[in-house]
Amino acid sequence: DTAVSQTPKYLVTQMGNDKSIKCEQNLGHDTMYWYKQDSKKFLKIMFSYNNKELIINETVPNRFSPKSPDKAHLNLHINSLELGDSAVYFCASSHLRFRALEQYFGPGTRLTVT
Amino acid sequence: ELKVEQNPLFLSMQEGKNYTIYCNYSTTSDRLYWYRQDPGKSLESLFVLLSNGAVKQEGRLMASLDTKARLSTLHITAAVHDLSATYFCAVLVSVKVIFGPGTSLSVIP
Repeated sequence: DTAVSQTPKYLVTQMGNDKSIKCEQNLGHDTMYWYKQDSKKFLKIMFSYNNKELIINETVPNRFSPKSPDKAHLNLHINSLELGDSAVYFCASSHLRFRALEQYFGPGTRLTVT
Repeated sequence: ELKVEQNPLFLSMQEGKNYTIYCNYSTTSDRLYWYRQDPGKSLESLFVLLSNGAVKQEGRLMASLDTKARLSTLHITAAVHDLSATYFCAVLVSVKVIFGPGTSLSVIP
């Protein structure tokens, strides 16, 4: 009965490869997010979808492409991986209509590019 | 561009002592969040502050919000080792939540 889940938890891959991270939430929320946390723990918003519509698209390389097949799922595909992509990627969800807009985070995916 | 700052960034405190973490932000917002992150773990929501003057308390932690000063505080009372973690404040601007750099708290015996 996990609220926000991500797969895989760990991902080790070589430069140049393409990989995907999947996220699912069972909270009934209408908005989902991808964050990147670097080695200094700094958290940066990357993308957000509301009801399958992209509402936040920060300045990230276009090698990163989010996809939301429905409002319970948000995937992140990364092409041509680079060393600098190594980080922890967190998925989160919230309900945009509620005043609090409190976000619930998944367990994270630790990506290591070698 | 919105900036969210936290002070201090690193804090080592003795058990039983009190301390306050400060969060300043550079633009108008009336929603502020505090999260806790343990090493290698995800972020856990601690407080959601929705209006000027809001104060919330949970156990040894108390958070407050002054929207006019663009300042939130997280006060720790009689710290215990279990509070050791990184604490993030975050501010809502439009639909975007911007996080501060985090305060790494270590409570020592």
